[in-house]
Amino acid sequence: GDSVTQMEGPVTLSEEAFLTINCTYTATGYPSLFWYVQYPGEGLQLLLKATKADDKGSNKGFEATYRKETTSFHLEKGSVQVSDSAVYFCALGDDKIIFGKGTRLHILP
Amino acid sequence: NAGVMQNPRHLVRRRGQEARLRCSPMKGHSHVYWYRQLPEEGLKFMVYLQKENIIDESGMPKERFSAEFPKEGPSILRIQQVVRGDSAAYFCASSLNSGTVSSPNEKLFFGSGTQLSVL
Repeated sequence: GDSVTQMEGPVTLSEEAFLTINCTYTATGYPSLFWYVQYPGEGLQLLLKATKADDKGSNKGFEATYRKETTSFHLEKGSVQVSDSAVYFCALGDDKIIFGKGTRLHILP
Repeated sequence: NAGVMQNPRHLVRRRGQEARLRCSPMKGHSHVYWYRQLPEEGLKFMVYLQKENIIDESGMPKERFSAEFPKEGPSILRIQQVVRGDSAAYFCASSLNSGTVSSPNEKLFFGSGTQLSVL
């Protein structure tokens, strides 16, 4: 069945560092791809999405590109802030969503 | 406009007891999804409901688990005779309509979850 694999955390970076969280997927067809973020004590929020190959989703300085050839959807941000500390989930689906295990990100001031 | 409300936030049960988790979707939303997050794992889909109907329960364990979304009131996830392995965070999400490419899942809103601990 469809699945999502993302890099294990925790990831710890200093403020203003460059961030990459890797995500690869296995799917039949070409589902939509998502990144969700979960701040402490809150539910998941959609961060960005891409619905077809070569689409780039972006929001709040985060970006991810739908790469069909490498079946990847890596999350990147050029300069992270302390407020970006959260758990990030890669996901796919057009009906029910399938999530990765999540990557915890710590940003140090 | 309140978001998706789940209660209780924390629920402690002893083995063999029943757990009832409630989810009130966003106002106007008629689609509800339940997910379970086990320690160190991602969210696993459990069940998808519309008002008074179960649409997809392919992620529900075959025994002890049930879900409903009545015409009036919140959606309920019920776990009978809980065991330690049921300890997890249970998340509810709601949407205005079902997720499709033309109605993307960006309209899926999550609650803050219920943390179930079985002693």
